[in-house]
Amino acid sequence: EAGVTQSPTHLIKTRGQQATLRCSPISGHTSVYWYQQALGLGLQFLLWYDEGEERNRGNFPPRFSGRQFPNYSSELNVNALELEDSALYLCASSLSFSTDTQYFGPGTRLTVL
Amino acid sequence: KQEVTQIPAALSVPEGENLVLNCSFTDSAIYNLQWFRQDPGKGLTSLLLIQSSQREQTSGRLNASLDKSSGRSTLYIAASQPGDSATYLCAVRPTGANSKLTFGKGITLSVRP
Repeated sequence: EAGVTQSPTHLIKTRGQQATLRCSPISGHTSVYWYQQALGLGLQFLLWYDEGEERNRGNFPPRFSGRQFPNYSSELNVNALELEDSALYLCASSLSFSTDTQYFGPGTRLTVL
Repeated sequence: KQEVTQIPAALSVPEGENLVLNCSFTDSAIYNLQWFRQDPGKGLTSLLLIQSSQREQTSGRLNASLDKSSGRSTLYIAASQPGDSATYLCAVRPTGANSKLTFGKGITLSVRP
């Protein structure tokens, strides 16, 4: 069974540009979670989607947005990139919003120059 | 606001030693607690999940305990091996609909051959 996949593996952007990160959950999983892991700050919750709906949002500015598609894959968009957005962005999925074991993808390393 | 603390930030032990990793949290109203492992630059792997009604969970050489009243959890690793070298994170899910995981910053474990 394929695990959670994320693309691209690495992404290099300059300040002010937009970045789009993609995530495909494990087959049958309806919940997708996005996290930011910046150096020294630990893992910070960004967004949670289930059945196409946004369930919860972390303490991030509106330029961080996302969506979940009918096939449950998800996209994270970051507009007006800032240097401090450089981080590892991790996506996780779970069977449903009431099932707690989250399975993580390998992450996308975003570097903002 | 739930806060999760893991101390120390780093730990180095000789191979074969039994060790305990600590996790503390400020709000005892939790739904569950999870321990994850993260290898450098990679995603997270779920190790153990303890529901709030449980006291401990075991998987192979790993044993996790939960004491909600004192706001503490421990991850016990028996007979440590160099392959156990990684960062170990604990995360709590508070009670309440659509609650999100709150992570500690992790403990980086190095097992010396």
